[in-house]
Amino acid sequence: DSGVTQTPKHLITATGQRVTLRCSPRSGDLSVYWYQQSLDQGLQFLIQYYNGEERAKGNILERFSAQQFPDLHSELNLSSLELGDSALYFCASSVGSRGVSDTQYFGPGTRLTVL
Amino acid sequence: AQKVTQAQTEISVVEKEDVTLDCVYETRDTTYYLFWYKQPPSGELVFLIRRNSFDEQNEISGRYSWNFQKSTSSFNFTITASQVVDSAVYFCALFSTGGGNKLTFGTGTQLKVEL
Repeated sequence: DSGVTQTPKHLITATGQRVTLRCSPRSGDLSVYWYQQSLDQGLQFLIQYYNGEERAKGNILERFSAQQFPDLHSELNLSSLELGDSALYFCASSVGSRGVSDTQYFGPGTRLTVL
Repeated sequence: AQKVTQAQTEISVVEKEDVTLDCVYETRDTTYYLFWYKQPPSGELVFLIRRNSFDEQNEISGRYSWNFQKSTSSFNFTITASQVVDSAVYFCALFSTGGGNKLTFGTGTQLKVEL
């Protein structure tokens, strides 16, 4: 158990809908990262937050957004969902911020299925 | 740009065989970090090891060992006396500030250990 929690574990929804994925980092970690794992794209970095601020952005679609709250938990919002958004979404956390490569510990993931 | 190549898509071995998973990386940075993660069938990503670019010492942890060679830009992972529980997808990953402050993952190697 990495100490990173993600809810829900599974999510099934329809095209055009909006969903919110939630992540709680390990105790003491200030950075949260979101990744998408799909069969065709592999593991792709989406976005990083450090202590409430966005710090790095990857291949995140405009339909997706994220935020980190004062209690350090993070939410990833996916809207106008398409079939291709079906994937496993991981949250990871680490102690540090930009430029400091701490080890990222991953949560169990949320499996999103868009029908 | 940074890149991680895991040329072996799938490896099958019989229990107790030794197996080496290859990882080749590309980066222009002189300071970078390399990681291995394991993804068992249950789906979570489990951190195995982190290595920084200044430390070329090989590492051994139980049946696992890692060979880091800057001259060939490789960070290979060997499992000695493999067991069925080692069956998983193994990912090599690279972090460098020149890579956008994100972990870049390889495509993974599926290891199947059979009785």
